Amino acid sequence: DAKTTQPNSMESNEEEPVHLPCNHSTISGTDYIHWYRQLPSQGPEYVIHGLTSNVNNRMASLAIAEDRKSSTLILHRATLRDAAVYYCILSALTAGGTSYGKLTFGQGTILTVHP
Amino acid sequence: KAGVTQTPRYLIKTRGQQVTLSCSPISGHRSVSWYQQTPGQGLQFLFEYFSETQRNKGNFPGRFSGRQFSNSRSEMNVSTLELGDSALYLCASSLVGQGVGGYTFGSGTRLTVV
Repeated sequence: DAKTTQPNSMESNEEEPVHLPCNHSTISGTDYIHWYRQLPSQGPEYVIHGLTSNVNNRMASLAIAEDRKSSTLILHRATLRDAAVYYCILSALTAGGTSYGKLTFGQGTILTVHP
Repeated sequence: KAGVTQTPRYLIKTRGQQVTLSCSPISGHRSVSWYQQTPGQGLQFLFEYFSETQRNKGNFPGRFSGRQFSNSRSEMNVSTLELGDSALYLCASSLVGQGVGGYTFGSGTRLTVV
């Protein structure tokens, strides 16, 4: 499965934007980029996913590099509730890719938000 | 709408026993996946079921098995429990699975093997 690399931890202040980077230099053409987050004592929560174009939803934005070898999850205004472990995951949405049908979690980035 | 429900929330078992965990997906979701989370290995994919068929499987021994019923509810079974099976077991449901539209996870079942 294609591997992702994320910083172990990041810190932010409340109400400031947060940019969480992810490198995935071995991404294949069938891999979508997914972001999930896990709050303490909860299961992971879907945040956003994309293929080539930048994506926005009510939770966050996903900026994807033109060569698709890296991406950035953007939280526009961090709140204390955003403190979590953020996972960047590659998963093929079409049969044939080794990552098809499953999420392969790495160690993720621990985001700390200061009041 | 109701989320993904996993039962029980906590479980203590003895080595050598077997255990069955249950997962009720979001109404209408036909795909159910199972994951194991441990401090050492992180989150690892166990298997995925869709319309009562196992569609994908992770690298776990045969002691780990699962099934899905016609109402999409799923059970996971671990036989001959080992101390290393102590973990948080998470279930995730999806409309059609395979990442489309994202997965919704339950809060998990915390299994302790003593």
